[in-house]
Amino acid sequence: DQQVKQNSPSLSVQEGRISILNCDYTNSMFDYFLWYKKYPAEGPTFLISISSIKDKNEDGRFTVFLNKSAKHLSLHIVPSQPGDSAVYFCAARRNSGYALNFGKGTSLLVTP
Amino acid sequence: GAGVSQTPSNKVTEKGKYVELRCDPISGHTALYWYRQSLGQGPEFLIYFQGTGAADDSGLPNDRFFAVRPEGSVSTLKIQRTERGDSAVYLCASSRDGGYNEQFFGPGTRLTVL
Repeated sequence: DQQVKQNSPSLSVQEGRISILNCDYTNSMFDYFLWYKKYPAEGPTFLISISSIKDKNEDGRFTVFLNKSAKHLSLHIVPSQPGDSAVYFCAARRNSGYALNFGKGTSLLVTP
Repeated sequence: GAGVSQTPSNKVTEKGKYVELRCDPISGHTALYWYRQSLGQGPEFLIYFQGTGAADDSGLPNDRFFAVRPEGSVSTLKIQRTERGDSAVYLCASSRDGGYNEQFFGPGTRLTVL
């Protein structure tokens, strides 16, 4: 039962434009959300997170938006750069839990 | 400083064999996690250690899977009587402690069961 869903397996964006990656979740017990970035043959690397008490968190070119009522979050990358090309995983954790529940990932390609 | 390391990076074995996968967490991290990533999927939680004890092993798929962390540092994931469906990348992560601290992932061990 997939509790975290990333419905777009891939996304292609031109360099300098905005990349928007989407994520939906079904478990209302999730209260902490994260985005990880993964290059081939490497482990996932933490990118940005957001607590359920917030609706936005920003870190440089990366912004995560959370819409709790819709159980939806998105990652915005502005401006996109070729080095951002990677697989992006959305993950969520239950309150008082430890395990991360991951989506299937979205492969982002930023073209020059 | 050194990140999470995992050995071997690749393991090919035959159906029915026993395998051990090793994880060296970041020094000082008390929390350690194992995940499994099958082709086309995101990582799936297997087990969580706080110190030497398995605080949550609810993700282990069956009793062929077992993990230990005897001294609260290095961990070994053990798989008995391997099956073709066990083929996946096994990821280890560690964090300073449990809770909301960032989990740092290793590069993974790619297990192929023929």
